[in-house]
Amino acid sequence: QVQLQESGPGLVKPSETLSLTCTVSDGSISSYYWNWIRQPAGKGLEWIGRVYNSGSTNYNPSLKSRVTMSLDTSNKQFSLKLRSVTAADTAIYFCAREQKYQVLIDYWGQGTLVTVSS
Amino acid sequence: QSALTQPASVSGSPGQSITISCSGTSSDVASYNVVSWYQHHPGKAPKLIIYEGSKRPSGVSNRFSGSKSDNTASLTISGLQAEDEADYFCCSYAGSSTFYVFGTATKVTVL
Repeated sequence: QVQLQESGPGLVKPSETLSLTCTVSDGSISSYYWNWIRQPAGKGLEWIGRVYNSGSTNYNPSLKSRVTMSLDTSNKQFSLKLRSVTAADTAIYFCAREQKYQVLIDYWGQGTLVTVSS
Repeated sequence: QSALTQPASVSGSPGQSITISCSGTSSDVASYNVVSWYQHHPGKAPKLIIYEGSKRPSGVSNRFSGSKSDNTASLTISGLQAEDEADYFCCSYAGSSTFYVFGTATKVTVL
């Protein structure tokens, strides 16, 4: 059973950079796409983007200017950086696995709450 | 890209069947037959229960079924059980710009 675990600071100051890491328990990280998704309190889920292969990425156009994702295959981790955060970026952040040859997100982490506040 | 629309809550008695709708547009649900459904107990990882509109992953109860008509996908839970009480959300591919859009989530209550 694949497990994904998000980690990172739960509190980030406005204008700073939010940094999260997702650790994958099993399987080859090279064989899938790796996504970040968030859910602000009381709102729906929003796809942030994905990273795959040797670091290829696709980002949500609404966040593209502030997002960077990367892969660390040796440690079975992938990461998210979101710059210049505001209170609107306060959310539960999920990492998730996507099948490479199928349009399907099949496994998720449990999510981590990140609060943007001074 | 707007979120897919789901009812905020649905309830039913044990043994009954309930259906949750997921309404999208011609840019997502109507154009692609890749709607997924997830069961989410808050604080835990969402669990995939339906993919490609109507397929069940191995190990998922056959009490869960999915369908799609035009721009609306539906999830039916038959023989409702107490353990089915959770949040449920849908997800659809939305093209090579936005990639994925999600439903607004439905809280299922077993009376």
